[in-house]
Amino acid sequence: TQTVSQSDAHVTVFEGDSVELRCNYSYGGSIYLSWYIQHHGRGLQFLLKYYSGNPVVQGVNGFEAEFSKSDSSFHLRKASVHWSDSAVYFCAVNAQGLTFGLGTRVSVFP
Amino acid sequence: NAGVIQTPRHKVTGKGQEATLWCEPISGHSAVFWYRQTIVQGLEFLTYFRNQAPIDDSGMPKERFSAQMPNQSHSTLKIQSTQPQDSAVYLCASSLDLRLGGREQYFGPGTRLTVL
Repeated sequence: TQTVSQSDAHVTVFEGDSVELRCNYSYGGSIYLSWYIQHHGRGLQFLLKYYSGNPVVQGVNGFEAEFSKSDSSFHLRKASVHWSDSAVYFCAVNAQGLTFGLGTRVSVFP
Repeated sequence: NAGVIQTPRHKVTGKGQEATLWCEPISGHSAVFWYRQTIVQGLEFLTYFRNQAPIDDSGMPKERFSAQMPNQSHSTLKIQSTQPQDSAVYLCASSLDLRLGGREQYFGPGTRLTVL
């Protein structure tokens, strides 16, 4: 059984602030972790992934995430958010079909 | 590249009616996935095809739900005798061959099903 936990349901930040979205997982197989973003009324878009190698992975639009095996975590970060980053962010673990967390809604204010 | 196409975007059915949802994956993608999204349950995996063959349907409700992929250019999700609790956004996604490391999934805009 695989589970994904995103501890924050909603995060509010101001433009230019940094943000970290937390993701913890449990999975017994080979780890494949990813983050997706969903803007209001849209489908999900892939941000980044970790499978092996460097635990810090870079994604689109300045996002990065860091894998920690000891903490079973894959937190997403951005150094300086823009209003267009307002969306719901989903962490996922998979072998094939993705298992998602419940998502973190990020609201960016000017 | 038009991305993953899902039709219809919105569908309203009466309780007990049948609903068929369509998905056209990205050309060249060999894996197709179906998910369901609700406020309460979040995103749930339903089923997955690879090269048109059903691989994993562990997320599909055992009754009333079925999925097919008759050719490489489209997949359908059929719900018989729809119930109000089937109301959700149904998302289709496709990806390159998973065995070759192509695991990023590309999602369609979804079909919002409302069962009255």
